[in-house]
Amino acid sequence: ELKVEQNPLFLSMQEGKNYTIYCNYSTTSDRLYWYRQDPGKSLESLFVLLSNGAVKQEGRLMASLDTKARLSTLHITAAVHDLSATYFCAGLSGTYKYIFGTGTRLKVLA
Amino acid sequence: DVKVTQSSRYLVKRTGEKVFLECVQDMDHENMFWYRQDPGLGLRLIYFSYDVKMKEKGDIPEGYSVSREKKERFSLILESASTNQTSMYLCASTGQTYYEQYFGPGTRLTVT
Repeated sequence: ELKVEQNPLFLSMQEGKNYTIYCNYSTTSDRLYWYRQDPGKSLESLFVLLSNGAVKQEGRLMASLDTKARLSTLHITAAVHDLSATYFCAGLSGTYKYIFGTGTRLKVLA
Repeated sequence: DVKVTQSSRYLVKRTGEKVFLECVQDMDHENMFWYRQDPGLGLRLIYFSYDVKMKEKGDIPEGYSVSREKKERFSLILESASTNQTSMYLCASTGQTYYEQYFGPGTRLTVT
C-alpha cells in the first residue's frame, strides 16, 4: 500500500531564505499533489504533478516530481511571512484513495 | 472556479444526537469524499462516493453513514454522536481528468 512521508515536520525559517520540503512515497503513484492549509482553514490545492520530471511554479513556490526516486519536492524561494502555513503532499493509490503525508508546518519569521 | 460548500462551519451537538453534515459541489464532479482531520493523525477517509447512490467505505467508517441522492450533494450522517467524533470534517470532490481534489471550508464539530 502507498505510504507518503514528508520531512521536515516543522520548519522555522527567516524571511528571504530558501528551503525545500521533501515528500517520499513508497510505491508507484500516478500523480502527486501539494496542498496548503492555513490554521483553522481547509486545504487549498497548490500543484498537481502528473509525470516524471514535472515541474510547476507559482510565485515563490516550485514543486517537482521524480518518479524514479519516488520523491517530490516543494521549494520555497525567498520566503515571506504570508507563506506560513502547513503544507501537505498526497499520492493517489488506485482511482480514489488519496494518501496524505503528515504535513510540514512552516513558520516564516520576520 | 470549483466551489465546494459545507452546510456549517461550526457545530456543537450533544452526545447521542443524530448529526447531518452536508456538502455541495457545483462542478458536476463524479467523486466526492468525506474526511476527518485530527491533530497528529492527519486526514483520514471516512467514505467516498463515485456516483449517485454509490459509496465505498474509507479507513474509518464506523459510527458514520453517507447519502448521495443527487450528484452535487454528499451528506455525512453521525447516527448517534459521541465525544470521540469531535473533529474537523472536510468534504472534497474531484473530476475525472487530473483527479485534483477540491476541498470545502470544513465543519468543526464539537460533541459534548
